[in-house]
Amino acid sequence: AQSVTQLGSHVSVSEGALVLLRCNYSSSVPPYLFWYVQYPNQGLQLLLKYTSAATLVKGINGFEAEFKKSETSFHLTKPSAHMSDAAEYFCAVTRSGGGADGLTFGKGTHLIIQP
Amino acid sequence: EPEVTQTPSHQVTQMGQEVILRCVPISNHLYFYWYRQILGQKVEFLVSFYNNEISEKSEIFDDQFSVERPDGSNFTLKIRSTKLEDSAMYFCASSRPMTAGSYNEQFFGPGTRLTVL
Repeated sequence: AQSVTQLGSHVSVSEGALVLLRCNYSSSVPPYLFWYVQYPNQGLQLLLKYTSAATLVKGINGFEAEFKKSETSFHLTKPSAHMSDAAEYFCAVTRSGGGADGLTFGKGTHLIIQP
Repeated sequence: EPEVTQTPSHQVTQMGQEVILRCVPISNHLYFYWYRQILGQKVEFLVSFYNNEISEKSEIFDDQFSVERPDGSNFTLKIRSTKLEDSAMYFCASSRPMTAGSYNEQFFGPGTRLTVL
């Protein structure tokens, strides 16, 4: 079985400050890990993915995440927050490289950007 | 850019009624999925569908739920007799055929908000 824990249902940062959204996973097999972003009234958009290649993964909009097997973590960071980054962020895990396997999501972190 | 579309965007129904949620996946995709998100909770996997049959389903996907690909473009989720607890946002997703050595991203639609009264 797989699971994802996202620490902090709400994270507030100032514009220009570092963004850090935490994700820890549990998986009995080598995982595939993802971060999705959801803007209001929209679907889920893939930010970045870890698929067992490089442990530091770069995504869209300046976000990146580092896979740390020893810590079972996949935290999302961005050096400088922008107002447009305000959204809901979901970490997700699956056991294989696609196909029929569903994604297991965390509860999400609402990112608030203070001007 | 191709995208997954869902209709309606919002559906209100009475408890005990049947509802059908519709999705048009991206045209060259072969894997299809339904997820739901109860207000304030996490997104949960319901079912995946490939080659005209269910591939995987979660424990949420009980006999009240069914999926169908009635033609070459639509993918539907039917709830036979809705309950109050079925109120949620339902997301459809699709992905390309699997290729060795690569991950096939799931592309999500904007969702249908189902309200059961």
